[in-house]
Amino acid sequence: GQNIDQPTEMTATEGAIVQINCTYQTSGFNGLFWYQQHAGEAPTFLSYNVLDGLEEKGRFSSFLSRSKGYSYLLLKELQMKDSASYLCAVRGSSNTGKLIFGQGTTLQVKP
Amino acid sequence: DGGITQSPKYLFRKEGQNVTLSCEQNLNHDAMYWYRQDPGQGLRLIYYSQIVNDFQKGDIAEGYSVSREKKESFPLTVTSAQKNPTAFYLCASSQTIDRKETQYFGPGTRLLVL
Repeated sequence: GQNIDQPTEMTATEGAIVQINCTYQTSGFNGLFWYQQHAGEAPTFLSYNVLDGLEEKGRFSSFLSRSKGYSYLLLKELQMKDSASYLCAVRGSSNTGKLIFGQGTTLQVKP
Repeated sequence: DGGITQSPKYLFRKEGQNVTLSCEQNLNHDAMYWYRQDPGQGLRLIYYSQIVNDFQKGDIAEGYSVSREKKESFPLTVTSAQKNPTAFYLCASSQTIDRKETQYFGPGTRLLVL
């Protein structure tokens, strides 16, 4: 079967660094996405990794290891507005465009 | 402004009624998707379309139908056969350039059954 695993909830302090992990088991791999979703809103695109390594974009970075079926999203200098759900999604085999989503990690940033 | 629009923001359905959710994009993306999100669950794919006049069933297509007559538009009909339609419906479109892909979501439509 195909499976995406993320922690359900995390808590961190404003100004700190937090790492949200995602492990996946899919039949094939054609890229991994991270999205941010605030309560009641649509997901917004954060990052896309298809090759191993780290992609940095401002305060957010995303890492991928295809051999380990593992990714993480790193958030630096946390702000209160970073409190949201973070969704990991994988495009599996073929070029169908289908994404398989994890259930998301709800991050609470405390003062 | 470029982007994806969905309408209406809220939609109420009566028992036995078909309703259609609109999704329009002006990003010139070839691929478009419909997802459903339920509380405490990940997004689940209903239908997707990689090109005009072609679409494929996703993981939970039963009780839904779509059309893709124009590149910009991918409407979703929730039929009376869908027994549990209350959910947050998200439309998305995607593009791949130099092996870099982006998939953007519209603002969503909340469907409630009366």
